Amino acid sequence: DGGITQSPKYLFRKEGQNVTLSCEQNLNHDAMYWYRQDPGQGLRLIYYSQIVNDFQKGDIAEGYSVSREKKESFPLTVTSAQKNPTAFYLCASSTWARTQNTEAFFGQGTRLTVV
Amino acid sequence: GQQLNQSPQSMFIQEGEDVSMNCTSSSIFNTWLWYKQEPGEGPVLLIALYKAGELTSNGRLTAQFGITRKDSFLNISASIPSDVGIYFCAGQLNAGNMLTFGGGTRLMVKP
Repeated sequence: DGGITQSPKYLFRKEGQNVTLSCEQNLNHDAMYWYRQDPGQGLRLIYYSQIVNDFQKGDIAEGYSVSREKKESFPLTVTSAQKNPTAFYLCASSTWARTQNTEAFFGQGTRLTVV
Repeated sequence: GQQLNQSPQSMFIQEGEDVSMNCTSSSIFNTWLWYKQEPGEGPVLLIALYKAGELTSNGRLTAQFGITRKDSFLNISASIPSDVGIYFCAGQLNAGNMLTFGGGTRLMVKP
């Protein structure tokens, strides 16, 4: 089945450590996105990528890093510089073409807790 | 930048009641999307709207693309407990542009 997969579902990290969240899609989508969601809040864009080997900062990129070495994969690293990393992280993908509808499809999310 | 105001922020209703929520924007969008997020899960696309004035249904859900292109509405008829979740609107100016999300409407249904 085609879809977008995030792993792990739950992640615990010690304060001061970096941690990488995985996002893989087999929808042949060009664009991929990372969002952060805090309890009772909406979605805030961290980073996005429209094409392999290129990515752009979103609204809250500080303390995060990404890579896009393959079309299917867009891992997010939460670094020790992120002051308040405990949150629910959502990955999404979409097409990126001016002639196509570009609805975003989401993964199931990773809940990161810093202990 | 563009902002989407989604209201109400939360609703607590009795099972069987109809629900209405809306999103308004300070500028136009040419695509409106509605998503539902259940607790601990990612948002799932419910309805996509591509034309001003368009009215689209998906089961008990009906969404409309406002004629001014600055708003959209989602209605749920005869609510049931499994309708519980957060409903997000999203707007897109043109294909190839980023989505802008509303803050979400949290729906709670009392059996």
